[in-house]
Amino acid sequence: EAQVTQNPRYLITVTGKKLTVTCSQNMNHEYMSWYRQDPGLGLRQIYYSMNVEVTDKGDVPEGYKVSRKEKRNFPLILESPSPNQTSLYFCASSPDLGRLAGLQETQYFGPGTRLLVL
Amino acid sequence: DAKTTQPPSMDCAEGRAANLPCNHSTISGNEYVYWYRQIHSQGPQYIIHGLKNNETNEMASLIITEDRKSSTLILPHATLRDTAVYYCIVRVLTSGGYQKVTFGTGTKLQVIP
Repeated sequence: EAQVTQNPRYLITVTGKKLTVTCSQNMNHEYMSWYRQDPGLGLRQIYYSMNVEVTDKGDVPEGYKVSRKEKRNFPLILESPSPNQTSLYFCASSPDLGRLAGLQETQYFGPGTRLLVL
Repeated sequence: DAKTTQPPSMDCAEGRAANLPCNHSTISGNEYVYWYRQIHSQGPQYIIHGLKNNETNEMASLIITEDRKSSTLILPHATLRDTAVYYCIVRVLTSGGYQKVTFGTGTKLQVIP
């Protein structure tokens, strides 16, 4: 089954304790992205990756890191989490969200990771 | 960057058509309009997209005005399972040639029995 998976689905941690949220897709998609969702603010893009080893900042990248060492995985790293990073996080992938040829591609979203930083 | 404006909430009676509007007055010629929906706190789900012609699929219809400054998503026979937040999105090409996707706050559609 074609899907985007995220782990963990729920996480409670404390301020300053490094954590990684994994994201994996089995559709051989080039484009992957991370979003956070907060009440009243909708979905905001954190980072995105056009392909392996190519990443760029989204609208709210502060406090986050990403890596794209292989096509299927796009982990989100919080080096020193803070309470304002408490949020619902979504990973998404798309066949090609890059050049003009990819203008019609849709994104497939993972189930979400709910993070609480105390 | 093209931005979208949607009403924060709408109600619709079950079985009736739900018409969700979206303004995107700064849209440029090669930008598609996309609609997604999010049920509870699940991952957003793609519904439909279009450039300038009206589109229809098994889930919905998309009507885009001739000047492309606004569009309407139509759910022809709304059911309780259509209760969700609906996002209208315009994909924007960055200066580097890649696409940027910006979700707004969407319209919360409540389907009433």
